[in-house]
Order: sequence, then structure tokens, then C-alpha cells
Amino acid sequence: AQSVSQHNHHVILSEAASLELGCNYSYGGTVNLFWYVQYPGQHLQLLLKYFSGDPLVKGIKGFEAEFIKSKFSFNLRKPSVQWSDTAEYFCAVKGRRALTFGSGTRLQVQP
Amino acid sequence: DGGITQSPKYLFRKEGQNVTLSCEQNLNHDAMYWYRQDPGQGLRLIYYSQIVNDFQKGDIAEGYSVSREKKESFPLTVTSAQKNPTAFYLCASSYLAGGYNEQFFGPGTRLTVL
Repeated sequence: AQSVSQHNHHVILSEAASLELGCNYSYGGTVNLFWYVQYPGQHLQLLLKYFSGDPLVKGIKGFEAEFIKSKFSFNLRKPSVQWSDTAEYFCAVKGRRALTFGSGTRLQVQP
Repeated sequence: DGGITQSPKYLFRKEGQNVTLSCEQNLNHDAMYWYRQDPGQGLRLIYYSQIVNDFQKGDIAEGYSVSREKKESFPLTVTSAQKNPTAFYLCASSYLAGGYNEQFFGPGTRLTVL
């Protein structure tokens, strides 16, 4: 069965700091990976996804993630965070049935 | 506008009562899903359906039931058998063809058992 591990549960950064959120997965099949974001009071929405090809994936709002197959990782990065990036971030892997999510990382950006 | 609607947004229930959460999508998606979100645990799959009149249990199906009589609708019933039903419930849908089944989510229903 697939699983996803997010190492950071709560991250606090100042504006303009760089961000990297860790995600490790376990899955024996073809890997499809996702990062979703949940802003306060809003729908869960897709930030970016990896299906195949270039392992460096660019998403919305300046986010990117790198798929490293040898490390079973799909870390999320942003060079300079803004206060509006305050949200909860979820990494997910597509399994046979549906998505399996990590436990989430709450990001708090201080002005 | 295309999307997924869930109702109600907030729901209160007394212990021992069944309650049904609504989920409707107008995206013409084949598959629909129900997840439960608890603090620090991410989203866990309750049930999913890939086609009308068929559905499968997810990881935490005990105490829940679903139906899929129409492609657009996938209601979830939280029964009195669910031991800890207070949670945030999210419905999602996706295409199945092509394998690129990115899931789209509704706004959620927060259920509180009193």
C-alpha cells in the first residue's frame, strides 16, 4: 500500500524567506505526485503535479517541486514566501484507487 | 461555473442520529470520492466511486455509507455506528480516462456531534 510522509508539521517563516517542505512517498507502481494547498477558509486546490518527464515541476504562485526517484522524494520549494502563502500544504501520491495524502504542513508566514 | 458543491457547510448532530452530507458535481467527472480531514492526520479516504451504481470502501469506511445513483451526485451518510464522527468532510471528483486523474475538491462540510 502507498504512503506519504511529510516531515514538517508546522513551519514559521518571515516574508521573503525561502521555503522547502519535505515529502517522501512509498508506492510500487507508476508514480504520480501532487501538492495541494488549503488556504484559510478556501477549497483544497492543486499547486502542482508530476506525472512523467522533467522531474522539476513548476506550479502556480511561484511554487516548484523536484521529483527525486532515488530518494522517493517530492519536496516543495519557493524562493521567497509571502504572507499570502500562509496555508496548509498536502503532498499526495496517486494509488490504484485514489490519492493518498500526507498529514500536511501548516505554513505560517509572518509579515 | 463548473465545480463541486457540498452542503451544508456546517452540520450539527446529536449522538445516535444518522446524517447525510450532500455532494454534487457538474464537471462530468466519472469518479467521486469522500475524504475525512482531521487535524494532523491529513485526508483519509472513506469511499470512492468510479461509475454509477458502483462504489468501493476506502481506508476508513466503517460507520459510513454512500450511494451513486447519478453521475453528478455522491451523498455520504454518517451513521450512528461511526464512533468519532466529528470532522471535516471533503468530497472530490476526477476523470478516469488517460490516467491523469487530478482530483478537484469541494468546499467541505464540518460535522459536529453534540
